[in-house]
Amino acid sequence: GDSVTQMEGPVTLSEEAFLTINCTYTATGYPSLFWYVQYPGEGLQLLLKATKADDKGSNKGFEATYRKETTSFHLEKGSVQVSDSAVYFCALSDRNNNNDMRFGAGTRLTVKP
Amino acid sequence: EAQVTQNPRYLITVTGKKLTVTCSQNMNHEYMSWYRQDPGLGLRQIYYSMNVEVTDKGDVPEGYKVSRKEKRNFPLILESPSPNQTSLYFCASSMVLGVYEQYFGPGTRLTVT
Repeated sequence: GDSVTQMEGPVTLSEEAFLTINCTYTATGYPSLFWYVQYPGEGLQLLLKATKADDKGSNKGFEATYRKETTSFHLEKGSVQVSDSAVYFCALSDRNNNNDMRFGAGTRLTVKP
Repeated sequence: EAQVTQNPRYLITVTGKKLTVTCSQNMNHEYMSWYRQDPGLGLRQIYYSMNVEVTDKGDVPEGYKVSRKEKRNFPLILESPSPNQTSLYFCASSMVLGVYEQYFGPGTRLTVT
C-alpha cells in the first residue's frame, strides 16, 4: 500500500541555519504531496503542497519539489527562525487509491536562538 | 471563520465508560475523517466519511464508531474505552480528498485510566 517515510527527529538547529527534512513515498498511482506543520497545542495546518511531478510548493520561506524519479518531496528552508519550531508531517493523497491520505511519522524541529 | 471544531479538548475517563467526541465543520466539506496521533507513529486514520450517511473504516477502526447524519458533523464514539485508546485525536475535513488539503481541528487529548 501507499506509505510515507520521513527522516526521524528530533532536529535541533540554530537560528538562520539551513533546514532539510527528507521525505520519500511509495504510491501505486500519481499522488498529491503535502507538508503539514503542527505547532505546540494545535492541530495540523497545511504548509505547502504539490500535485504533479516537478511542481514546487512554497510558503513562508519553505519549499519542496515533487520528484517522481526519486519519489521524494524534501522540505527545505534557507534560514530557520525560532518561530519555525514545530512538528512537520509529510503526507500523500493518492487518487488511484480512493484518495486515501497517508502521513509520515512527523519530524520535530527545534530552533535555538 | 472557516474552521473545524472539536469538543472536548481534554478528557480523562475510566475504562468502559462510553464517550463521544464531537466534530463540526462550517465549510460545507463533503469529506471528513478521524485520526489518532501517537508518538513515533504519526497520524493513523480511524474512520472517514465521503459524504452524508457514507462512512468507512480507516487503518485502526477497532473500538470506535462514527456516524454522519449531517454534512457538518462527524462524531467519534468510544462505546467501551480502554487504556490503549489513550491518544491525541484529530478530526479533519476536506472539500474533496486528493488535490485539496485537509483542514484539522485543534485536537482532543483523551486519557483512559
